[in-house]
Amino acid sequence: DGGITQSPKYLFRKEGQNVTLSCEQNLNHDAMYWYRQDPGQGLRLIYYSQIVNDFQKGDIAEGYSVSREKKESFPLTVTSAQKNPTAFYLCASCPGQGVGNTEAFFGQGTRLTVV
Amino acid sequence: QQQVKQSPQSLIVQKGGISIINCAYENTAFDYFPWYQQFPGKGPALLIAIRPDVSEKKEGRFTISFNKSAKQFSLHIMDSQPGDSATYFCAASIIGYKLIFGSGTRLLVRP
Repeated sequence: DGGITQSPKYLFRKEGQNVTLSCEQNLNHDAMYWYRQDPGQGLRLIYYSQIVNDFQKGDIAEGYSVSREKKESFPLTVTSAQKNPTAFYLCASCPGQGVGNTEAFFGQGTRLTVV
Repeated sequence: QQQVKQSPQSLIVQKGGISIINCAYENTAFDYFPWYQQFPGKGPALLIAIRPDVSEKKEGRFTISFNKSAKQFSLHIMDSQPGDSATYFCAASIIGYKLIFGSGTRLLVRP
C-alpha cells in the first residue's frame, strides 16, 4: 500500500532531551512537510522540503531541525531549544511544485509529550 | 497576505441539516483551495478541492462554493450525519507549493 508513515505514534520527552520523529513515504512525492497541531488551533508549518538535500523554514521553525537525505524520508528533530514541544505533529507529502496532482497526503501523526 | 481565515470555530448541527463553514484569503496568487477532514487522533484527509476557474464543485453531499472577487470559499455539507462529526480545515496554496491552513472548525452533528 502506498502511503506516508509516521513513527512513533506516541513519544515522551524529558526536559533537555532531543527527540526525532520519523516520516517515510513511498508515494514517490518530491515535496514533504512537517506541521504542528495544538488543541483548538490549525496546522502550523514547521519545515518543508521541495527536493532532496534542500529544505526551508516554515512559520515556527525555532527549536526544530530536519534533514532530507533521501526522497522518501524527512525526519524532524525536536531540540531542547523548543520550549513548548508538547503537541501533535503531522507529516505530509505531495507530488511537488508545478505538478498537476496537488493532493497532500498526511501521516497519522505523532503525539509528543514532555514529562 | 499568507493567512487563511476560517469560521466558525465550532458548529453544532442536527442530523439532516446543512453545515456551512467559511474561509477567506488575501493572496490572489493562490490557485488551489482544498478542504481537509480530520477525526480525533488521525491525520487530515483530503475531502474536496477547487481551482479558481470554477465557482462550485460538488462531490456527493459535499459542495465547495468559491467567490473569486470576494476572495472567499465555503464548504457546505448537505444532509449532515453524525459520522460527519470531525474537524474541518480549509487551506490554500499556489499549486504544488506549501499549503496554508485555516484554524479549523469542529463540527458536531447531533442525532
